[in-house]
Amino acid sequence: GAGVSQSPSNKVTEKGKDVELRCDPISGHTALYWYRQSLGQGLEFLIYFQGNSAPDKSGLPSDRFSAERTGGSVSTLTIQRTQQEDSAVYLCASSWAGGSQDTQYFGPGTRLTVL
Amino acid sequence: KQEVTQIPAALSVPEGENLVLNCSFTDSAIYNLQWFRQDPGKGLTSLLLIQSSQREQTSGRLNASLDKSSGRSTLYIAASQPGDSATYLCAMRTDSWGKFQFGAGTQVVVTP
Repeated sequence: GAGVSQSPSNKVTEKGKDVELRCDPISGHTALYWYRQSLGQGLEFLIYFQGNSAPDKSGLPSDRFSAERTGGSVSTLTIQRTQQEDSAVYLCASSWAGGSQDTQYFGPGTRLTVL
Repeated sequence: KQEVTQIPAALSVPEGENLVLNCSFTDSAIYNLQWFRQDPGKGLTSLLLIQSSQREQTSGRLNASLDKSSGRSTLYIAASQPGDSATYLCAMRTDSWGKFQFGAGTQVVVTP
């Protein structure tokens, strides 16, 4: 089957605008993760969805960031009133829930540039 | 809080030499650990996943070991090739329901 897909692949926006980033996980995966990778930096955890449980939002850097996951599948990460420091590659990953099938599969990412 | 460290940040080796990449963590109560490679401008590709009950995993030229008592995992790549040039990251979680904590990665260059 298809891997994790993300759209758009690139997004250029002006400071102050809102953006929405989309992630389509692998079908059947119950866990979904969002990460951010700034130039030359490691991965920064943002948010984690696991089945129907309340998401772990501990990594969201400010209240301008939010995410939802509809029907346990597609997820949207929304950044309101974008700032230049939000420029980064946003990566999404999915996995089965725990156990030996816990391997994370990553999408290609969305490169966000805030002018 | 789990801290994950990868040293060195960058490494250059001639083709054919074995690669040894290190990942250190502060909390020995890990659930599992995963090694990834990332090519420039691309997402992450999973290489190996080690459960906490395992000591090592092997796939082709790759071997990853896990020593919880010393807080270390090592990724060995035998007989390196230019195609192995990439950034290698390790990530771990401390329970079955929790986020992965990533190291900053080691950038590897294998010269022909």
